[in-house]
Amino acid sequence: GENVEQHPSTLSVQEGDSAVIKCTYSDSASNYFPWYKQELGKGPQLIIDIRSNVGEKKDQRIAVTLNKTAKHFSLHITETQPEDSAVYFCAARRTNAGKSTFGDGTTLTVKP
Amino acid sequence: NAGVTQTPKFQVLKTGQSMTLQCAQDMNHEYMSWYRQDPGMGLRLIHYSVGAGITDQGEVPNGYNVSRSTTEDFPLRLLSAAPSQTSVYFCAISTVLPATTGELFFGEGSRLTVL
Repeated sequence: GENVEQHPSTLSVQEGDSAVIKCTYSDSASNYFPWYKQELGKGPQLIIDIRSNVGEKKDQRIAVTLNKTAKHFSLHITETQPEDSAVYFCAARRTNAGKSTFGDGTTLTVKP
Repeated sequence: NAGVTQTPKFQVLKTGQSMTLQCAQDMNHEYMSWYRQDPGMGLRLIHYSVGAGITDQGEVPNGYNVSRSTTEDFPLRLLSAAPSQTSVYFCAISTVLPATTGELFFGEGSRLTVL
């Protein structure tokens, strides 16, 4: 089965700095890579995703890059704000197969 | 439009007791799943279903049962609770149709403590 590793487990940055979270996956058949943000006491919510036919995707301050050859993908948050503080999860799955495998999560703290 | 509704939000059980966590959706999505979240261990898949009458095991199925008699509901049953089942449980759904995003929609979670 799929195995997803996520690093770092905790990340602390100053407001305005950039944050980068990295994930690797093992199943070469995986082709959908979402990122979820979980705020305290809530369920995770999708913030950005990328498919295997794309190398990079941006949405305002958030971007995701994918290297299919190396089987790794990364989340980049620029100009971080205190409201970016949360737990972030990466995941991998085969398109339309439903079953997703998650990384262990990264707790991001943005200090004002 | 509530999306994914989980009940109860909090529950305390004694070892050996049984209970059912409820998950209901109003998005008409085919795929429904249960995850448990433990500190430092991310989200681990317990059971999932791709449609009414179809269920399958995930990564950590032992101690849990599921059924899917309707599109809308996917209950998770603990037959004899153990302290190792103390966790936060999330129900998550998605569509599996081609040309869709495949985004998982999560409920708010059910926090279970087994004494």
